[in-house]
Amino acid sequence: DTAVSQTPKYLVTQMGNDKSIKCEQNLGHDTMYWYKQDSKKFLKIMFSYNNKELIINETVPNRFSPKSPDKAHLNLHINSLELGDSAVYFCASSQTHEQFFGPGTRLTVL
Amino acid sequence: GENVEQHPSTLSVQEGDSAVIKCTYSDSASNYFPWYKQELGKRPQLIIDIRSNVGEKKDQRIAVTLNMTSKHFSLHISETHREVSAVYFCALRGSTLGRLYFGRGTQLTVWP
Repeated sequence: DTAVSQTPKYLVTQMGNDKSIKCEQNLGHDTMYWYKQDSKKFLKIMFSYNNKELIINETVPNRFSPKSPDKAHLNLHINSLELGDSAVYFCASSQTHEQFFGPGTRLTVL
Repeated sequence: GENVEQHPSTLSVQEGDSAVIKCTYSDSASNYFPWYKQELGKRPQLIIDIRSNVGEKKDQRIAVTLNMTSKHFSLHISETHREVSAVYFCALRGSTLGRLYFGRGTQLTVWP
């Protein structure tokens, strides 16, 4: 069974478009996260939700909007995509200490 | 927020040699220090962690040390082989629920 899953795995789109990435975890964890990993491999936290409530909101453009319909899902919607949004986006979940990462979504903005 | 410094950013070692990656931090309230490995094109995965009441922990060829006085922690990989090549991240847990602060990563390359 896949613990943390993301869709799609790859996303190629034009500048200015709106896109969404979905994340689901079947571990029963209360906390979920979105990270952005740039070409230099730095893992930058974007958002965190605990039981559907936003608890971390880093300095992220408001074109990025997370949504958590329930504690097993945390989706990321991005409006008006820009070239600089190209990166790998990882979803993760945790309960106490260890964070479990999804497989990542490679977003390419042309 | 918490600042985690990780060195070196790249590390090349010959197969069979040891590799050491070091991290420093500033938040004295941190009590959980995990290390993640990320192979090319894959997700980061936890390989070992250490808590504040322990100074050293070993798991086969991997060892981690923690010095909370000097705020240093390090990863030591002995008898490296090519499958060990990956990006390694140190991290620590901050005060916000479950939040991890990551170092910038070390690209470890093991060559024959």
